[in-house]
Amino acid sequence: AQRVTQPEKLLSVFKGAPVELKCNYSYSGSPELFWYVQYSRQRLQLLLRHISRESIKGFTADLNKGETSFHLKKPFAQEEDSAMYYCALSPTGFQKLVFGTGTRLLVSP
Amino acid sequence: NAGVTQTPKFRVLKTGQSMTLLCAQDMNHEYMYWYRQDPGMGLRLIHYSVGEGTTAKGEVPDGYNVSRLKKQNFLLGLESAAPSQTSVYFCASSGQGNTEAFFGQGTRLTVV
Repeated sequence: AQRVTQPEKLLSVFKGAPVELKCNYSYSGSPELFWYVQYSRQRLQLLLRHISRESIKGFTADLNKGETSFHLKKPFAQEEDSAMYYCALSPTGFQKLVFGTGTRLLVSP
Repeated sequence: NAGVTQTPKFRVLKTGQSMTLLCAQDMNHEYMYWYRQDPGMGLRLIHYSVGEGTTAKGEVPDGYNVSRLKKQNFLLGLESAAPSQTSVYFCASSGQGNTEAFFGQGTRLTVV
């Protein structure tokens, strides 16, 4: 079965602190992994995807196939990073996205 | 550049009423999806479509029906609304060969 697990509902940090949002997945093949972000009163938007290996807004995520994890990291959190973050999986060869339950990141001044 | 547009943005229904949510995309995408977003449960897939004239059930399809008569539109219908269908509904689309999904702004539906 395809499943994405985000164990933390809320992650609260101070500005300048490092951030790690956890994501674990279960899937028998080689899926694509994504992080989507939803800022207050805005639509969901793609933050990054594992195949691009980019750093977006200072965030990075490394796919660890051995641990089936795709944790999102940022060395120095900013207040504008406060948002809801969803990890998502797309099964191989198909477009359907499976989302985790989301983690709300709150960055305090 | 509209992207994915949902209509309406807000709606209050009485139990037993019916309604249709409209999703329109102008990116010529093959795939379209309807999700519902509930606190603590994230986004759950209701129905999806892999092309014009095709639809399929997602994770939570009961109580909903969909149609994809035109490639650019994906309609979500509630035949007899129930309070359990109070949620925020998101439509999304994606193109062939690119798994990035683009989302609409959401429809907040309350069933009383």
